[in-house]
Amino acid sequence: QQQVKQSPQSLIVQKGGISIINCAYENTAFDYFPWYQQFPGKGPALLIAIRPDVSEKKEGRFTISFNKSAKQFSLHIMDSQPGDSATYFCAASNDYKLSFGAGTTVTVRA
Amino acid sequence: GAGVSQSPSNKVTEKGKDVELRCDPISGHTALYWYRQSLGQGLEFLIYFQGNSAPDKSGLPSDRFSAERTGGSVSTLTIQRTQQEDSAVYLCASSLGVSQVLYFGPGTRLTVT
Repeated sequence: QQQVKQSPQSLIVQKGGISIINCAYENTAFDYFPWYQQFPGKGPALLIAIRPDVSEKKEGRFTISFNKSAKQFSLHIMDSQPGDSATYFCAASNDYKLSFGAGTTVTVRA
Repeated sequence: GAGVSQSPSNKVTEKGKDVELRCDPISGHTALYWYRQSLGQGLEFLIYFQGNSAPDKSGLPSDRFSAERTGGSVSTLTIQRTQQEDSAVYLCASSLGVSQVLYFGPGTRLTVT
């Protein structure tokens, strides 16, 4: 069973636009919510992560919004650039074992 | 410094054959993970090694899958009697101690024909 549900499966955004990816989880024991970025032929790399004691975390153009009561979290990519074109995975964990969403392929059109 | 390396990068094998996939973690990282990434799917946890502790094998899909980690460093994932449904990218990751920050290798793409 997939413990983390991610949407959309893919999205296309114009350069300078905002990309939004949503994830939902069921296990209330999860206490760590990272996002990973993966380029073709490469392994995923940690992009940004949040813990449930805060509602938002921003690093550069990337922001995580976290809604504990709704058991949802999202990634916002501001001022999207062609170099942001990649697959993004949300994940959740309460120990060493990460449960990943199915991934979102983001394409940024120049 | 060097990241996680995996070999081979690609492996094509016939159904029924055994395969071995290798992972070299980042030096000094005590935790090592194997994940499987199937087309259009997220990453599926397979196995976790931490120091000298017994590994968590709870994610291995069948007894055809096994893994070992020698000397607390290099790890080998072995798939016996491969099936077509084993076709996927096998990713290795390592982390420092109990850190939840995983560093992934580039993966081994396994194709079973």
